[in-house]
Amino acid sequence: GENVEQHPSTLSVQEGDSAVIKCTYSDSASNYFPWYKQELGKGPQLIIDIRSNVGEKKDQRIAVTLNKTAKHFSLHITETQPEDSAVYFCAASKNKLSFGAGTTVTVRA
Amino acid sequence: EAQVTQNPRYLITVTGKKLTVTCSQNMNHEYMSWYRQDPGLGLRQIYYSMNVEVTDKGDVPEGYKVSRKEKRNFPLILESPSPNQTSLYFCASSIGRSSGANVLTFGAGSRLTVL
Repeated sequence: GENVEQHPSTLSVQEGDSAVIKCTYSDSASNYFPWYKQELGKGPQLIIDIRSNVGEKKDQRIAVTLNKTAKHFSLHITETQPEDSAVYFCAASKNKLSFGAGTTVTVRA
Repeated sequence: EAQVTQNPRYLITVTGKKLTVTCSQNMNHEYMSWYRQDPGLGLRQIYYSMNVEVTDKGDVPEGYKVSRKEKRNFPLILESPSPNQTSLYFCASSIGRSSGANVLTFGAGSRLTVL
């Protein structure tokens, strides 16, 4: 089955700086790559997703890039704010979602 | 409000005492699933259901049972809980019949401790 690796496991950034989380996947047939954000005490919530026919997608301060050849995709958060502090999960899917282990992001004021 | 509701949110129990975690969604979603979240392991799928009376094993089904008698409900049953089932559990649903390329809506989570 699909294996998704996510790095780093923890990330601390100064408010206003950028944060980057990287994921790799094993199944070249995967064609859907969502990112979920989990705030403290809540369930994960989709923040952005990308499909394999697209190389990059942006939504305000967040962007995702996909390199199908290398089988990796990344989440970029610019101008980080305290409310960006959360656990972020990447996932990859052909027919079934497989999640990465998560990255705990802390934005320092 | 469209949501997935899990109960209980917190539970401490003892080894061997059967328990059920309920999950209900009000979005008329076809697909429902249970995940467990453990540090360093991310979200791992326990069981899923593509429709009423249709359930299947996920990646870590041992020690769990589920049922889907109604479209809106998908309870998770631990017949004889053991300490290694101490975890944070999430129920999720999506409009499509798989988690493949559909947005999952998660519940708020149920933190279970088995002593």
